[in-house]
Amino acid sequence: SQQGEEDPQALSIQEGENATMNCSYKTSINNLQWYRQNSGRGLVHLILIRSNEREKHSGRLRVTLDTSKKSSSLLITASRAADTASYFCATDSNYQLIWGAGTKLIIKP
Amino acid sequence: ETGVTQSPTHLIKTRGQQVTLRCSSQSGHNTVSWYQQALGQGPQFIFQYYREEENGRGNFPPRFSGLQFPNYSSELNVNALELDDSALYLCASSPLAGGATDTQYFGPGTRLTVL
Repeated sequence: SQQGEEDPQALSIQEGENATMNCSYKTSINNLQWYRQNSGRGLVHLILIRSNEREKHSGRLRVTLDTSKKSSSLLITASRAADTASYFCATDSNYQLIWGAGTKLIIKP
Repeated sequence: ETGVTQSPTHLIKTRGQQVTLRCSSQSGHNTVSWYQQALGQGPQFIFQYYREEENGRGNFPPRFSGLQFPNYSSELNVNALELDDSALYLCASSPLAGGATDTQYFGPGTRLTVL
């Protein structure tokens, strides 16, 4: 079963614009992670935010977490062509990560 | 580069056959997790090994089994292959026990096609 649900399923923006994608989940968590996947290959870890954190930054990435609404958002600022990928949120449940179906982001030149 | 490698890259099998997929984790990473990712879906957790013992399993039948070795390598074995087993299989390593609370480092995956 998948706990996380990303929204939107697909997003197409112009290079240089900001991209925002959202994730909702169902049960309480210890942490939430965001990963990127290029062309159906391996996943690359972007950022981990713990349940007692509300916001975290890493370069052009900004992640927020609202545990009362069981939701998180990932903002990518000043998008680049290389940001074209699928983005997944994953939440911890005991020993495993539970994943959403992802947001497919396309950056148009 | 995460330092996690998987082999083979692609594999084609027929229904009913058996397959072994291999993963080499980062040195010092005692936890390895295996995931199945169908096309257009997020990964599904298969199981996790910590120091050569299975310490967690997802909703997969017993024909999915694994091994972890002291040299940070691991295997995923699938018996009696079914058409629905066609997917990308990913392994991920992490330095801590109970890898879900920690960053996981993924390999590039093995694309399995069952005909």
